[in-house]
Amino acid sequence: KAGVTQTPRYLIKTRGQQVTLSCSPISGHRSVSWYQQTPGQGLQFLFEYFSETQRNKGNFPGRFSGRQFSNSRSEMNVSTLELGDSALYLCASSLDGGLHQPQHFGDGTRLSIL
Amino acid sequence: KQEVTQIPAALSVPEGENLVLNCSFTDSAIYNLQWFRQDPGKGLTSLLLIQSSQREQTSGRLNASLDKSSGRSTLYIAASQPGDSATYLCAVTTDSNYQLIWGAGTKLIIKP
Repeated sequence: KAGVTQTPRYLIKTRGQQVTLSCSPISGHRSVSWYQQTPGQGLQFLFEYFSETQRNKGNFPGRFSGRQFSNSRSEMNVSTLELGDSALYLCASSLDGGLHQPQHFGDGTRLSIL
Repeated sequence: KQEVTQIPAALSVPEGENLVLNCSFTDSAIYNLQWFRQDPGKGLTSLLLIQSSQREQTSGRLNASLDKSSGRSTLYIAASQPGDSATYLCAVTTDSNYQLIWGAGTKLIIKP
């Protein structure tokens, strides 16, 4: 069974640009969560999608947005990029996001802002 | 506001030793606690998940315990091996939402 797949693995952008990251969950998983990981702030929750609906959201500005498609694949978009957006972006999937379920993570997309 | 702390931030031990990693949280109203491992440049691998009603979980050489009342969890690694070298993170899920709240991690180095 294939794991969680994130593309691309690496991205380099400049300030002011926008970027779209993709996450394909494990087959059959309907919940996808996104996290940002930086050396200074550690891991922080961005948002969670289930059945194409954003169910939960962390404390990030509106420049960070996401969506989920009918096949459960999810995209995350960051607009007007800032230097501080440089981070490893991780997505995780679970069957239905139930609190009793472990989350399975992809290897992440490393975003560097110049 | 829930806060999760992991001490120490880094730990180096010789191969073969048993060791304990610590995780503490400020609000005992958690639904579950998970331990993850992260290898350099990689995502996270779920190691153990303990529900709030459980006291411990075991998987191979790993044993995780949970004491909700004191806000503490420990991850015990038996007979450590160089392949155990990684950063270990704990995260809690609160009752009211679906997000994980993370500790900063313990970087573990096992010396051959």
